[in-house]
Amino acid sequence: KAGVTQTPRYLIKTRGQQVTLSCSPISGHRSVSWYQQTPGQGLQFLFEYFSETQRNKGNFPGRFSGRQFSNSRSEMNVSTLELGDSALYLCASSLREGQSYEQYFGPGTRLTVT
Amino acid sequence: EDQVTQSPEALRLQEGESSSLNCSYTVSGLRGLFWYRQDPGKGPEFLFTLYSAGEEKEKERLKATLTKKESFLHITAPKPEDSATYLCAVQARGTYKYIFGTGTRLKVLA
Repeated sequence: KAGVTQTPRYLIKTRGQQVTLSCSPISGHRSVSWYQQTPGQGLQFLFEYFSETQRNKGNFPGRFSGRQFSNSRSEMNVSTLELGDSALYLCASSLREGQSYEQYFGPGTRLTVT
Repeated sequence: EDQVTQSPEALRLQEGESSSLNCSYTVSGLRGLFWYRQDPGKGPEFLFTLYSAGEEKEKERLKATLTKKESFLHITAPKPEDSATYLCAVQARGTYKYIFGTGTRLKVLA
C-alpha cells in the first residue's frame, strides 16, 4: 500500500505571498490531519478533516486554512505569509475507526519564507 | 488540560547500553497512546499503539509499556541506527485530537 504523499517537498516563498500544500492519504483513510513542526515548538496541530468536514482545529490564526476533497485528498493554504511560518508541514492520515486510530505521516513539505 | 511530557530531552548511549524513555500524560480518558520515531528532515514513523494500562508491545529492540499515568519506551542493546527523535502522543476519548510531546533525541554511539 502506498504511504502518505505530500507535494511539493520544498518551497521558498516571500513574505506576504500565499501557499498551497497538498496531501494524499493512504488509500482507505478518511481522516487527514495537518501539523506544523519547528525546532522550538515541536509538532503543533493545525486541523483535522474527516469525510470532507473539519472536525478539529488547533490554535492557529485564520491565515491557515484547509479543505478535503471527496477522494480524501487534502490541501492546506497559508495566506499572507510571515517569516515565522517557515517550518516543516506534515500531513498524517488515519483510518479513524474500530481500534485503528494511529496516524501515518507523510515526508513533509519544507516551507521557507524569506 | 490534556498534556504530554517526555523525558529526558536528550539521551546519549553507548552501543549495547540499554535504557528507557519516559512519556507522562494527563488526559481526560485515554483513547490511545502512540509512539513514533522521527529521523531528521523526515516525517514521524509509527511504532506502537497502546490502549490500556498493563499493555505491552515489542518490535525488535524496542518495547513500549503503559500505566495509567505514563508510558515507557525501553531500548535494549541499542545500535547506532536507533539514533532518532522518539515522539509520544495521546488521543483523548470524545475528541480526535492528538497531543504530542516534544520528544526525546536519542544518540547511540558506536
